Parts: sequence; C-alpha cells; structure tokens
Amino acid sequence: NAGVTQTPKFQVLKTGQSMTLQCAQDMNHNSMYWYRQDPGMGLRLIYYSASEGTTDKGEVPNGYNVSRLNKREFSLRLESAAPSQTSVYFCASIGVRGGDFNEQFFGPGTRLTVL
Amino acid sequence: GESVGLHLPTLSVQEGDNSIINCAYSNSASDYFIWYKQESGKGPQFIIDIRSNMDKRQGQRVTVLLNKTVKHLSLQIAATQPGDSAVYFCAENGNNQGGKLIFGQGTELSVKP
Repeated sequence: NAGVTQTPKFQVLKTGQSMTLQCAQDMNHNSMYWYRQDPGMGLRLIYYSASEGTTDKGEVPNGYNVSRLNKREFSLRLESAAPSQTSVYFCASIGVRGGDFNEQFFGPGTRLTVL
Repeated sequence: GESVGLHLPTLSVQEGDNSIINCAYSNSASDYFIWYKQESGKGPQFIIDIRSNMDKRQGQRVTVLLNKTVKHLSLQIAATQPGDSAVYFCAENGNNQGGKLIFGQGTELSVKP
C-alpha cells in the first residue's frame, strides 16, 4: 500500500514548455485533489475530482488542466508553463476515517521550476 | 473572500513545554476543521480534526479546541518534542464543499532541546 504517489519529484521547465504531473493512489478513494504551495504559504486548490469522470475548478485553476484517467490516477497538465507556476505541487486523495470524518492523504510533492 | 489565517507565523518553545498554535477562520458556515503538520520537503500530514458540533477533541499528545463564537481554532501539543518541529497548518471545509479545504498560512514551530 503505497498511499499517494507523484511523479516526477523535481522538474525544471522553460517558459512555454508543457508537461504533465502524474498522481496515483491505491486506497480506492473516490476524491482526488491537486494543490500548489508557494514559499511560506499554505496550499491552494487548483482542481479536484469528486469521483471518476468528474473534475471541478478550485481556487487557482488558470493555466492548468486535469484528467481523471481512472479511479486511481489524476493528472495535472501545464500546457504553456510560466514562471508564476514555479511552485511545489501536491496531490491528495480523501477517504473516510472513523464514522463521518474524512482524512486527506497527501503525496510527497513535485517541485517545479519554470525559467 | 473567505479565508483561514494564523495569528503567529513562528513559535519557539523549549522541549517538554506545551505548545499552542492558533488559527482564525472567517467562514461561519465551515463545519469541519483539520490540523496538518508539514516537515521540510514533505507533504502535509494529518494530525487531528474536529467537526463544528464539537468544542474539543483529543488525540495522542494533541488537543484541538474550537470556539465558534469567535471563529477560532487552536492546536495544543503537550510535552513538545524536537520531532514536533515543523510547519503547522489549519484548514477548513465549508459546508457541502465536497471535501475542498481552505488552508491557512502556516505556523512554524521550533522546539529547542
């Protein structure tokens, strides 16, 4: 049981390049999320997927697209990277823990630098 | 807009002392609150949560207090240890928000041996 995994761990892009961040969870969770974290700040929600086949915008969706490929995988795509997208990206999934409490499990993060 | 914020950006305590980290939230409709611990280079790790129909919840060495009157949340860590050094975030989930969380800025806790 690996929990939430993300690839790659580090990435450097030039402005205008595109890339896809991969995320997978093996906990059979329905809901998955993509966040970004800038230095000294909390996490901000980019997109989320409440269930397979559905995706919705979060607080900061501009410049990103997502795909919920199946129940396990939720990818984040930058079509044309900009320096403002330099950040650490976290994927998370949510599961029920004890009664009606939910728990979010986070991946280790992808550190992206856009030059 | 709605936000969750922290009163203290940094907190330094002596090993063995109790730590209290505070958080203010502005969305009175929020019904679920979580505290996360984030160590350097890692993703956030769940610590403890509380629903809006509770005032207090205890875990192992940690207690979360919720004061809905003043929209204030706190995390108490008993007998703080060097391994507790990290950034602590509070997060809130608005009613019927489908699991979406709004995170506060974070408080860095430094434990001196």
